[in-house]
Amino acid sequence: KQEVTQIPAALSVPEGENLVLNCSFTDSAIYNLQWFRQDPGKGLTSLLLIQSSQREQTSGRLNASLDKSSGRSTLYIAASQPGDSATYLCAVRSGGGADGLTFGKGTHLIIQP
Amino acid sequence: GAVVSQHPSRVICKSGTSVKIECRSLDFQATTMFWYRQFPKQSLMLMATSNEGSKATYEQGVEKDKFLINHASLTLSTLTVTSAHPEDSSFYICSARGVGFSYNEQFFGPGTRLTVL
Repeated sequence: KQEVTQIPAALSVPEGENLVLNCSFTDSAIYNLQWFRQDPGKGLTSLLLIQSSQREQTSGRLNASLDKSSGRSTLYIAASQPGDSATYLCAVRSGGGADGLTFGKGTHLIIQP
Repeated sequence: GAVVSQHPSRVICKSGTSVKIECRSLDFQATTMFWYRQFPKQSLMLMATSNEGSKATYEQGVEKDKFLINHASLTLSTLTVTSAHPEDSSFYICSARGVGFSYNEQFFGPGTRLTVL
């Protein structure tokens, strides 16, 4: 059974810093990995999706990398801003015909003004 | 594009009653819809997958007779929590995958907060 772990569980930093959020998964046979943002009491906003054949994806100040063989992904946030404060979720779509996503518990990020 | 809505956003009900949650794809046809549940400080857990016109496929440990899912059209899926109990209190989120988008991409609704008294 696929398990997804995110480290750290929480992070509070002053604005302007560059950040790295970590995600690991136990079964490397995945179709893709996705990073989401969740604001309190809200749904999910997709940030980046990395296919299993890709090594990284970039969108603005966000960069996500994927090392499928080692079961790891990182989300890099450059020049953090208070508006980046949210919970960041990592999710994988496993192989074997499974369609749904397996999520980590998330990293709760606070960017201090 | 790719907007998914849920209704209601918040519901409070008495123990023993049934509650229906709607998930709609507003600007695309959703061939597959997923229902997730999120307990406080926990990750989202997939409950079931439904394809339009077919019976839902439930994940292990999810009672299909308690969580009734209907996906009768390409834009609407409903989740009915029957005989709700306080332990069913949770944040329920749906997602949809559909026509015109990558097979790998799911679009999430804003969620429904269910509180059972």
